Amino acid sequence: QVQLVESGGGLVKPGGSLRLSCAASGFTFSDYYMSWVRQAPGKGLEWVSHISSSGKSISYADSVKGRFTISRDNSRKSLYLQMDSLRVEDTAVYYCAKRTALGTPYNDWGQGTLVTVSS
Amino acid sequence: EIVLTQSPGTLSLSAGERATLSCRASQSVSSTYLAWYQQKPGQAPKLLIYGASSRATGIPDRFSGSGSGTDFTLTISRLEPEDFAVYYCQQYDSSPQTFGQGTKLEIK
Repeated sequence: QVQLVESGGGLVKPGGSLRLSCAASGFTFSDYYMSWVRQAPGKGLEWVSHISSSGKSISYADSVKGRFTISRDNSRKSLYLQMDSLRVEDTAVYYCAKRTALGTPYNDWGQGTLVTVSS
Repeated sequence: EIVLTQSPGTLSLSAGERATLSCRASQSVSSTYLAWYQQKPGQAPKLLIYGASSRATGIPDRFSGSGSGTDFTLTISRLEPEDFAVYYCQQYDSSPQTFGQGTKLEIK
């Protein structure tokens, strides 16, 4: 059974940093593209970043480009999101999500981890 | 960036009724790359429909998707109590992938 478990969320001041992790199990992690998708409180879904199965292809939303860094460790079956220069508007639940490749939907999601950016 | 506009924002219906949710794109989207998700409070989104009309694994056949170009529709033929939730459409045809703002399906 596919499981994606996010961790690392919490309260951070504007300008601060946080590193999110997503532990995967129940599937061959190294075969799949992985993404981070966020949801601000009471709002809709926003794609943040994705990384190819090998880690060689990476893309970011304009809203986080230059501040966030996605990475993965296939040996540890883990996905990461390093978030620097955090802003109040980055406050959201961050989900990791799995997809087969670009051009496919997200067929599995984690339960999410809440990041709150506030002074 | 392709903007997806969902309507209505909120839909109030009773169990047993038919629900029709709309997703309109600001430019043409290949039907191969249009999905629908269901999200219940405190839960992650769940994939319902992909490729505009294909049901994901385990999704009941009362859920159906249709459309092409810029207009797509999610239909729930007979609402069950567990169907009351928020529904999002997503396009993954062009970068960046985008989601609609959601339609809340509430009990009347």
